[in-house]
Amino acid sequence: SQKIEQNSEALNIQEGKTATLTCNYTNYSPAYLQWYRQDPGRGPVFLLLIRENEKEKRKERLKVTFDTTLKQSLFHITASQPADSATYLCALANTGNQFYFGTGTSLTVIP
Amino acid sequence: GAVVSQHPSRVICKSGTSVKIECRSLDFQATTMFWYRQFPKQSLMLMATSNEGSKATYEQGVEKDKFLINHASLTLSTLTVTSAHPEDSSFYICSAEPPAGGGFTDTQYFGPGTRLTVL
Repeated sequence: SQKIEQNSEALNIQEGKTATLTCNYTNYSPAYLQWYRQDPGRGPVFLLLIRENEKEKRKERLKVTFDTTLKQSLFHITASQPADSATYLCALANTGNQFYFGTGTSLTVIP
Repeated sequence: GAVVSQHPSRVICKSGTSVKIECRSLDFQATTMFWYRQFPKQSLMLMATSNEGSKATYEQGVEKDKFLINHASLTLSTLTVTSAHPEDSSFYICSAEPPAGGGFTDTQYFGPGTRLTVL
């Protein structure tokens, strides 16, 4: 069966440290993968997109890696801040641009 | 740019009634829109793909007669939950796919969501 799993339901880290979130999938062949941030009661907000032929993408304090052999993506937030506290979702997209979301990880950055 | 709105943001209805939720792309035309449902503490689940001028494509397990989708224009898709029951209570989110080559940074832009509560 198809699954998209994110490492843990909740992750607590100290301010200033690097948060690393994982997204593992089985029985998918995504054309690309995206990471989103979702705050309570809000729709997802786009953060980064990485295509199947790309290994790494960066944007300011964010970094995403994509290993299609391991079927895994890692999402890093460096120099984390309390304002980074939110739920982070990975989404796999097929060639029809349909998104399938992971289970989400709730990140709390402790001051 | 690339704003997607939903209306209403919250709705409470009685069991057995129908509820319509609108999704609009405000500053771009969207041939394709998507509808998702999110239960508390769970992730977004794709319900259907809505194509302008044609029938929607539903994901496995989603009842097309219960969740009616109409994509009558390039900026508007509607989801009607017919004969709603308490188990339909959820957060419904739409997204819109911008046209290719328009300089958009994302492939789907999400609306703010609609909280449906069925009593």
